[in-house]
Amino acid sequence: GAGVSQSPRYKVAKRGQDVALRCDPISGHVSLFWYQQALGQGPEFLTYFQNEAQLDKSGLPSDRFFAERPEGSVSTLKIQRTQQEDSAVYLCASSLDRGTGGNTIYFGEGSWLTVV
Amino acid sequence: GNSVTQMEGPVTLSEEAFLTINCTYTATGYPSLFWYVQYPGEGLQLLLKATKADDKGSNKGFEATYRKETTSFHLEKGSVQVSDSAVYFCALSASGAGSYQLTFGKGTKLSVIP
Repeated sequence: GAGVSQSPRYKVAKRGQDVALRCDPISGHVSLFWYQQALGQGPEFLTYFQNEAQLDKSGLPSDRFFAERPEGSVSTLKIQRTQQEDSAVYLCASSLDRGTGGNTIYFGEGSWLTVV
Repeated sequence: GNSVTQMEGPVTLSEEAFLTINCTYTATGYPSLFWYVQYPGEGLQLLLKATKADDKGSNKGFEATYRKETTSFHLEKGSVQVSDSAVYFCALSASGAGSYQLTFGKGTKLSVIP
């Protein structure tokens, strides 16, 4: 597709459930990012991939969060045993090259997660 | 660490009014600075950017100048339209290691009324 595609767009999970959020980056983009945006806040960095390698996962809030990009294209963000504080919009973004400062990063529309 | 502070909203303006949204930052070295916009129901889009001091980014009538002496990157538009109603985010990416990571402000919601 022309842009970054995320699914599902909306997800309601019961506390304790596992969820998986999918991201299809722009074709050929080397870099892929996940951000978390809580209500009324700016996005916060979660993790960064360069092709299939996860180079930075310093923003993942706990070991319940796991991300993968096994073939260097599609990525999945998995949240185990969801908690109410996980409720947020999860944004995926991609960049053509190695994502160094000043390069354009393209965002998807986000996956809205509500944990009840 | 790096941080971005931007003017709290919401901001409500009449059509054709002048817009300023203030943004200041804290970062070591020479960060790149960005304004992103989020229209209702859409994803974040890059509005403009500046990668070094005194650079001016511009797009769609919006402008922002990278001021290192005041660590600021204020967004301005001379005459806003109803279609500019959106949430605006100021962001930075640090220089050197970790430069791929964007640090965002909290966002400023702009509503333009006819």
